[in-house]
Amino acid sequence: DTEVTQTPKHLVMGMTNKKSLKCEQHMGHRAMYWYKQKAKKPPELMFVYSYEKLSINESVPSRFSPECPNSSLLNLHLHALQPEDSALYLCASSQPLTTGWGTIQYFGAGTRLSVL
Amino acid sequence: QQQVKQSPQSLIVQKGGIPIINCAYENTAFDYFPWYQQFPGKGPALLIAIRPDVSEKKEGRFTISFNKSAKQFSLHIMDSQPGDSATYFCAASKRGSTLGRLYFGRGTQLTVWP
Repeated sequence: DTEVTQTPKHLVMGMTNKKSLKCEQHMGHRAMYWYKQKAKKPPELMFVYSYEKLSINESVPSRFSPECPNSSLLNLHLHALQPEDSALYLCASSQPLTTGWGTIQYFGAGTRLSVL
Repeated sequence: QQQVKQSPQSLIVQKGGIPIINCAYENTAFDYFPWYQQFPGKGPALLIAIRPDVSEKKEGRFTISFNKSAKQFSLHIMDSQPGDSATYFCAASKRGSTLGRLYFGRGTQLTVWP
């Protein structure tokens, strides 16, 4: 099973709302990622968790708050978003590289977020 | 600054044609070069990957050619089919990167006409 499951698939929220995106994987991967993808653009890295600890924060605004409650789950809490935050939010997971080369990232289908 | 440059931005071919997508990089610390395929409404999925000690890798109809001295690599799709219509991203990651952080190209939108 190489599946990364993201919920919800679609989300519409106002600028004053608080919502959360959820990501789940059962591949035993210990690295999990959040990406933001605008139309016709590549994914942009937002956050990386390694062994449930935040390892990389790409200077993301504090209105995005990640959380990794356990090794299978990754959440992204959203608060006071702006219309320009509307995008496809992708979650990915991989096994941290200890030997060899190249680690495969497995992506979920994403959550399509619209901020009104 | 885009660390991996990808061209063309879009590509239209007839069924059976051989689309070629090119990528280039400058950072010699890159040592893993995957290609991802993304269909509308889906997340990217790994298609094929190569490391710099290999000049070519084939998986089915997909071939990566790698030129280490030129710091370039390309994806060829043999006997292309309408089902190959998707956006293709080349990427690179650095030697010693335990998290396998990916640097993506800008993407190529491929359309294969029946």
